[in-house]
Amino acid sequence: AQTVTQSQPEMSVQEAETVTLSCTYDTSESNYYLFWYKQPPSRQMILVIRQEAYKQQNATENRFSVNFQKAAKSFSLKISDSQLGDTAMYFCAFMKPEGNEKLTFGTGTRLTIIP
Amino acid sequence: DAGVTQSPTHLIKTRGQQVTLRCSPKSGHDTVSWYQQALGQGPQFIFQYYEEEERQRGNFPDRFSGHQFPNYSSELNVNALLLGDSALYLCASSLAPPYGYTFGSGTRLTVV
Repeated sequence: AQTVTQSQPEMSVQEAETVTLSCTYDTSESNYYLFWYKQPPSRQMILVIRQEAYKQQNATENRFSVNFQKAAKSFSLKISDSQLGDTAMYFCAFMKPEGNEKLTFGTGTRLTIIP
Repeated sequence: DAGVTQSPTHLIKTRGQQVTLRCSPKSGHDTVSWYQQALGQGPQFIFQYYEEEERQRGNFPDRFSGHQFPNYSSELNVNALLLGDSALYLCASSLAPPYGYTFGSGTRLTVV
């Protein structure tokens, strides 16, 4: 079974600064997918970024980027030029590559952007 | 293009009662998954429906059951409610993972 660990329950950063959220996971699979989801107070889980394990290149989506270290089973999210709208819970999630597999989530990091 | 719609948004039930939660998937999506998110926790997978059948199931008791209709919408039923069933219940739909799931805003269930 897969496990996902987020060791930072809460973080805060000044607006416009850069922040990195940590995630580690454990799996015996060689191929898989990793995700970062954002959950604002509206409660809807919003996909931030996705990484395929067989791709060595780190995924990037505008101000969001990941540092994927497969050997270390680490998958951190970097948010650059942070904005007030980035305030939310952030969840790291794992999924096996077979079709329609379930997501396994970490416990989340509450990120607060300070004006 | 409508996203995932869940109803109701909030619900209060008494211990021992039964509850039904509803989900309409994103247009074009044929697979629906349900997750339970306890306060301060990450979502936990309950089960997944595809072609009107339960395709996968997480570690939840038989009190949790579901259904998928021909139009791909889905229901989650919980019988004999316990205080510990109080949580946010999220529905997610998909068509072709691993591109990811589209989530609804959830139903907040409170059992008193």
